[in-house]
Amino acid sequence: DAKTTQPTSMDCAEGRAANLPCNHSTISGNEYVYWYRQIHSQGPQYIIHGLKNNETNEMASLIITEDRKSSTLILPHATLRDTAVYYCIVRLYNTDKLIFGTGTRLQVFP
Amino acid sequence: KAGVTQTPRYLIKTRGQQVTLSCSPISGHRSVSWYQQTPGQGLQFLFEYFSETQRNKGNFPGRFSGRQFSNSRSEMNVSTLELGDSALYLCASSLDWSGDEQFFGPGTRLTVL
Repeated sequence: DAKTTQPTSMDCAEGRAANLPCNHSTISGNEYVYWYRQIHSQGPQYIIHGLKNNETNEMASLIITEDRKSSTLILPHATLRDTAVYYCIVRLYNTDKLIFGTGTRLQVFP
Repeated sequence: KAGVTQTPRYLIKTRGQQVTLSCSPISGHRSVSWYQQTPGQGLQFLFEYFSETQRNKGNFPGRFSGRQFSNSRSEMNVSTLELGDSALYLCASSLDWSGDEQFFGPGTRLTVL
């Protein structure tokens, strides 16, 4: 399983875009990049995933570099409710096994 | 529709006892995974079940076991509890194992005294 590296913590002003980077330099061709977040005392929540193309949904955008060795999760207009730990995960497509790293603690401030 | 439910939400046991935790996946979901979360080790994968078969297992001792029933409900059992087993145990379900998003339950907080 490929490992991921994320900054330990980040701050973002409310209303601004939050850009969360992730390094996954050992990713293989059949592994996807997934993002989850965990708000304090709750179970993790799925955000978005992608293979090699950029993806967007109602929550966020995922930008994957052409060599697939890194990616960025973008929350376009961060709110206080986006304060959470964000996990970048590399996962084989045919398994539900998620290997969580330490994640990035995002603090959104007013 | 109802989300993933886990019972009980809180549990206190003593060392040497055993415990069984239950997880009911979202209706129609056939895949269930279990995770352990502790402050020191973070979120760690325990096992994954699909159609009553264990597909993957994490690096946990044999004291940790699980099973899945024909209705996709799952249980995990920890025998001979140790203090270090105190953790939040999370269950997640998905339609199948083809890369669909997983939906997590609220977890069971186990405290071993």
